Amino acid sequence: AQSVTQLDSQVPVFEEAPVELRCNYSSSVSVYLFWYVQYPNQGLQLLLKYLSGSTLVKGINGFEAEFNKSQTSFHLRKPSVHISDTAEYFCAVSDAYGQNFVFGPGTRLSVLP
Amino acid sequence: DSGVTQTPKHLITATGQRVTLRCSPRSGDLSVYWYQQSLDQGLQFLIQYYNGEERAKGNILERFSAQQFPDLHSELNLSSLELGDSALYFCASSVVLGGQETQYFGPGTRLLVL
Repeated sequence: AQSVTQLDSQVPVFEEAPVELRCNYSSSVSVYLFWYVQYPNQGLQLLLKYLSGSTLVKGINGFEAEFNKSQTSFHLRKPSVHISDTAEYFCAVSDAYGQNFVFGPGTRLSVLP
Repeated sequence: DSGVTQTPKHLITATGQRVTLRCSPRSGDLSVYWYQQSLDQGLQFLIQYYNGEERAKGNILERFSAQQFPDLHSELNLSSLELGDSALYFCASSVVLGGQETQYFGPGTRLLVL
């Protein structure tokens, strides 16, 4: 079974600063990895996903994530955040068939002016 | 807009009652997933249907049931409601291309049990 850890429950950062949201996973099989964003009072939106191939994945809204198999990590980064990036970010993992989908507890990103 | 619709958007009910949440998947998507998001439990996978058949089961309580109809829409039935069932219930539909599956989430139904 897969599991996901997001070490930081809250990350405050000033506008235009870089940010990294951490995600670690555990699994005994090959995995797919995902980052989702949930804006206040809205549903989930897929930011990016790693299925195979290049370990650096670029997503929407200027976000990117790097898959590190040896460290079982999939950290999300953005070089310069905006106020509008304030949201909850969820890391998720599934097996390589897209099954057994598990979410992490989420990281609340607060971008301060 | 993901193309997945859920009704109603909000629902307020009392303990002991029964409610039905509805999900319409994207056109052509055969799979529907149901998730619960609550303050206590976070995001949890409940159940998956594929083309009318139950495919996978997660942390779904016995008081809850779901089904997928021939037109592929799905309903999640929650009965004997308790205060702790208050949550945001998401559905997602998915497409499989080249052996890889991608999920698209609906906006959710917010359930408040008083």
